[in-house]
Amino acid sequence: ETGVTQTPRHLVMGMTNKKSLKCEQHLGHNAMYWYKQSAKKPLELMFVYSLEERVENNSVPSRFSPECPNSSHLFLHLHTLQPEDSALYLCASSQDPSGRAYEQYFGPGTRLTVT
Amino acid sequence: KQEVTQIPAALSVPEGENLVLNCSFTDSAIYNLQWFRQDPGKGLTSLLLIQSSQREQTSGRLNASLDKSSGRSTLYIAASQPGDSATYLCAAWGGAGSYQLTFGKGTKLSVIP
Repeated sequence: ETGVTQTPRHLVMGMTNKKSLKCEQHLGHNAMYWYKQSAKKPLELMFVYSLEERVENNSVPSRFSPECPNSSHLFLHLHTLQPEDSALYLCASSQDPSGRAYEQYFGPGTRLTVT
Repeated sequence: KQEVTQIPAALSVPEGENLVLNCSFTDSAIYNLQWFRQDPGKGLTSLLLIQSSQREQTSGRLNASLDKSSGRSTLYIAASQPGDSATYLCAAWGGAGSYQLTFGKGTKLSVIP
């Protein structure tokens, strides 16, 4: 595997379900990001982990819970979602940008549908 | 708060044409600007990254320019091909120590054979 991978690629879940999205990067980066892409809206940054610590949380509802067990893996735990949470969820990675801004590399995304 | 705007929202051109995609940002204190390509239902592919100290970057048929003072960036695509059809996104970095990459809504490009 190379680059940034995400599983599953597609997910359909009911509002009472609990599921998790997984992201793995094979680039030796130490910062990882979750983005949400809804129809007709710009990509929205949800969470940032740098050096395995959460450094940014952009007012995301608590029904989304991130986890970063190490610098290569990032999870997004989902529970009691709403239909408006249906979107493409993208993971990205980069070198830690605190010293300078580095290029971000994106995974293919998980298409989430909440019924 | 940084806002990024891309015009036009959609563009259709015949194969072989040269074209320019526009990106504007409200806060000129950006650290760099990145252009991406997104194919339908797929993730983003980084095309070019322009550091704030640079004025342009080139990769193959692509050339991106950055004018911080006017808050603008352009992506020039030479000799367009049907395979260039995709949505092109620009994104501005907030600055060193900032983890915020602010995206525009994108320009959907269709290159007609």
